Amino acid sequence: GEDVEQSLFLSVREGDSSVINCTYTDSSSTYLYWYKQEPGAGLQLLTYIFSNMDMKQDQRLTVLLNKKDKHLSLRIADTQTGDSAIYFCAGSAGGTSYGKLTFGQGTILTVHP
Amino acid sequence: NAGVTQTPKFQVLKTGQSMTLQCAQDMNHEYMSWYRQDPGMGLRLIHYSVGAGITDQGEVPNGYNVSRSTTEDFPLRLLSAAPSQTSVYFCASSYLLGDEQFFGPGTRLTVL
Repeated sequence: GEDVEQSLFLSVREGDSSVINCTYTDSSSTYLYWYKQEPGAGLQLLTYIFSNMDMKQDQRLTVLLNKKDKHLSLRIADTQTGDSAIYFCAGSAGGTSYGKLTFGQGTILTVHP
Repeated sequence: NAGVTQTPKFQVLKTGQSMTLQCAQDMNHEYMSWYRQDPGMGLRLIHYSVGAGITDQGEVPNGYNVSRSTTEDFPLRLLSAAPSQTSVYFCASSYLLGDEQFFGPGTRLTVL
């Protein structure tokens, strides 16, 4: 099955850019997602990228996909204290696993004023 | 729309007790799923359902049962709780398998 790995912690200053990285193993992943989890809450879909894309931009969020290296990143421009949360990348593999999400461990983003 | 709702928010059980975690959605979604979240391990899929009357196992199904008698509800049953089932449980739904999944607020379960 799919394995998804993330670094566990990231700390940035308010106003800087944040880059959260993720690697995955299943090259047949059709969609790759980024979810945000605020304390005590469920997961909220931030953005996703289809496997035939290299980049997707959505306001302050930029997703980069390197299929050769199976590497996904999420860049948050002008990071704010409200961006402090846990960020999960998730993959949806193909075949019989289609639509079933495999999550990384989550990256805890801390934004300092 | 209330979205995806889960009850209870918190629960403490003793080893061997049974209980049902409730999940409901009012978005007419066909696909529903249960995940557990443990520190440092992300979310892992327990069971899922692609429609009323159809359920299947995910990555970590042992110790849990599900049923889907209606489109709206997808309860998760712990038959005989064990300390290893201490976790935060999330229910999610999507219109169809592969669509964006909407998550409930979670149930924090402690098994003593």
